[in-house]
Amino acid sequence: ILNVEQSPQSLHVQEGDSTNFTCSFPSSNFYALHWYRWETAKSPEALFVMTLNGDEKKKGRISATLNTKEGYSYLYIKGSQPEDSATYLCAFRPTDKLIFGTGTRLQVFP
Amino acid sequence: DAGVIQSPRHEVTEMGQEVTLRCKPISGHDYLFWYRQTMMRGLELLIYFNNNVPIDDSGMPEDRFSAKMPNASFSTLKIQPSEPRDSAVYFCASSPGGLQPQHFGDGTRLSIL
Repeated sequence: ILNVEQSPQSLHVQEGDSTNFTCSFPSSNFYALHWYRWETAKSPEALFVMTLNGDEKKKGRISATLNTKEGYSYLYIKGSQPEDSATYLCAFRPTDKLIFGTGTRLQVFP
Repeated sequence: DAGVIQSPRHEVTEMGQEVTLRCKPISGHDYLFWYRQTMMRGLELLIYFNNNVPIDDSGMPEDRFSAKMPNASFSTLKIQPSEPRDSAVYFCASSPGGLQPQHFGDGTRLSIL
């Protein structure tokens, strides 16, 4: 069974705080690592697809890093805003299919 | 561009009834995925298709579940007979393949009474 773990499960921060969360995945049979943002009552929305060890991707205030040798990825949000409140999912991809973690639920208070 | 379209958005039915969920993928996407989301297990893959052919159905919970993709623009997920434990949100997603992300529909919230 391939395990994808995310921590913490939930996080409450104040507006303006920077935050980060972790995704751990198997270090063998790696093809790609996906990050999604999932707002309540909506569908998951793709943030990043990461493939190379040492990869770093950025979209506005959100960035992610990847370490395939040790099997982890970090997602960072700089200067959190209330509109960043969502569940952030990572998904390990050994083949064509994605194996999702259970997500980190972020709530940003004004 | 139209995204992935799922219908119905909500379905409430009684135990034992047949339920059919529908999905129209994004045009040109060769891959289609069906997921189930529950509080206990999160987002789990049920089955996926490549060029209308089922590739991996190892996530389908039991024989009561079946999925078809008769053409590139339509797929169904059927539950017969339905049971209360099938209550969940079912998502369809499509992808062009390669290193492109999957695009999700809005989901069908299914409640079996």
